[in-house]
Amino acid sequence: EDQVTQSPEALRLQEGESSSLNCSYTVSGLRGLFWYRQDPGKGPEFLFTLYSAGEEKEKERLKATLTKKESFLHITAPKPEDSATYLCATTNFGNEKLTFGTGTRLTIIP
Amino acid sequence: NAGVTQTPKFRVLKTGQSMTLLCAQDMNHEYMYWYRQDPGMGLRLIHYSVGEGTTAKGEVPDGYNVSRLKKQNFLLGLESAAPSQTSVYFCASTTAGVEQYFGPGTRLTVT
Repeated sequence: EDQVTQSPEALRLQEGESSSLNCSYTVSGLRGLFWYRQDPGKGPEFLFTLYSAGEEKEKERLKATLTKKESFLHITAPKPEDSATYLCATTNFGNEKLTFGTGTRLTIIP
Repeated sequence: NAGVTQTPKFRVLKTGQSMTLLCAQDMNHEYMYWYRQDPGMGLRLIHYSVGEGTTAKGEVPDGYNVSRLKKQNFLLGLESAAPSQTSVYFCASTTAGVEQYFGPGTRLTVT
């Protein structure tokens, strides 16, 4: 059974303090790993897709990386508007469903 | 492009009542999904559809039914609501193998 585990559950950072969020996965035949951002009271918003180990994607202050066992979402010099819950999900070949982690709730303090 | 829309945004039901949640997408996606999100549980798949006229069970299908009569619409029904179905419901759509796009959610309370 596919499993996705995110850590930490919650993270509080000072504005400008860089850090990383972790997503560990156990998937047979990884097809893709996805990162989403979710603001309170809203639906998840797509950020990145990673397909193979060694791949990296960047968007503003966020960079996602992928290894054979985990993915990291690095946040550089975060701002208060980066506060949100970040979700990780995977899908495998022959399966059109996503397996989600429970998310990391990130709070950036001004 | 509205993307994925959900109707209604909020609903309060009494135990035993029924209702239908509507999801619509204008991206011509083949695949559509219904999830529920509960604190500490993450997103859990209820039912999904890989094309018009098809449906399949997800992780937590009991107490729910779905229909996909038109490609752009995916309906989620609760025949006899229970307090355990109090949750936030999200619809999503995609083409095969790529990222899913989510709607804004429906907050349902069953008393």
